[in-house]
Amino acid sequence: NAGVTQTPKFQVLKTGQSMTLQCAQDMNHNSMYWYRQDPGMGLRLIYYSASEGTTDKGEVPNGYNVSRLNKREFSLRLESAAPSQTSVYFCASSGYTGELFFGEGSRLTVL
Amino acid sequence: QQQVKQSPQSLIVQKGGIPIINCAYENTAFDYFPWYQQFPGKGPALLIAIRPDVSEKKEGRFTISFNKSAKQFSLHIMDSQPGDSATYFCAAPISGGYNKLIFGAGTRLAVHP
Repeated sequence: NAGVTQTPKFQVLKTGQSMTLQCAQDMNHNSMYWYRQDPGMGLRLIYYSASEGTTDKGEVPNGYNVSRLNKREFSLRLESAAPSQTSVYFCASSGYTGELFFGEGSRLTVL
Repeated sequence: QQQVKQSPQSLIVQKGGIPIINCAYENTAFDYFPWYQQFPGKGPALLIAIRPDVSEKKEGRFTISFNKSAKQFSLHIMDSQPGDSATYFCAAPISGGYNKLIFGAGTRLAVHP
């Protein structure tokens, strides 16, 4: 039972490079989310998608774009990476109960 | 910008102790307050949540207490065990839906044998 799967688990980028973090869930959830986790700052919502075909900004959307490809998949794109985007990124999904199910995270370092 | 303020930042207790973690929120669109537990290298997972038609909820050794007038809620861990050592996050829903959560900064708990 996979739950929420994120790829890649680790990535090192140079400033200005672009990359896409992939996320897929197999729980038939409508809502999906991208959070970033930084020491002392908890989890901050970047973007979320309440249902297939919709996306909305969270607390810290600048420098990111998202695509809800279908009900299962929600990707996060960094067009021009900056050192301030060094973080651990978590994808999550939720169904009607509201409980968030998180992936295991993607650790990104921008040099 | 809505905030959820969590304290303390870190906590060390002996086995059997009762750590208490506190959270205060400003405004929330929905009365739903979850706590998430995170072990190193893993994603957070829901531990316990309260929808405050009640002021307290217990699940096993974990209890949430809620004070609506003070806009505060807290997590108590009874008879804490070394396996409870983890980071704990409180959360509250921001406008737009009860599952659109804003998280506190986290409390790193260490339970010593």
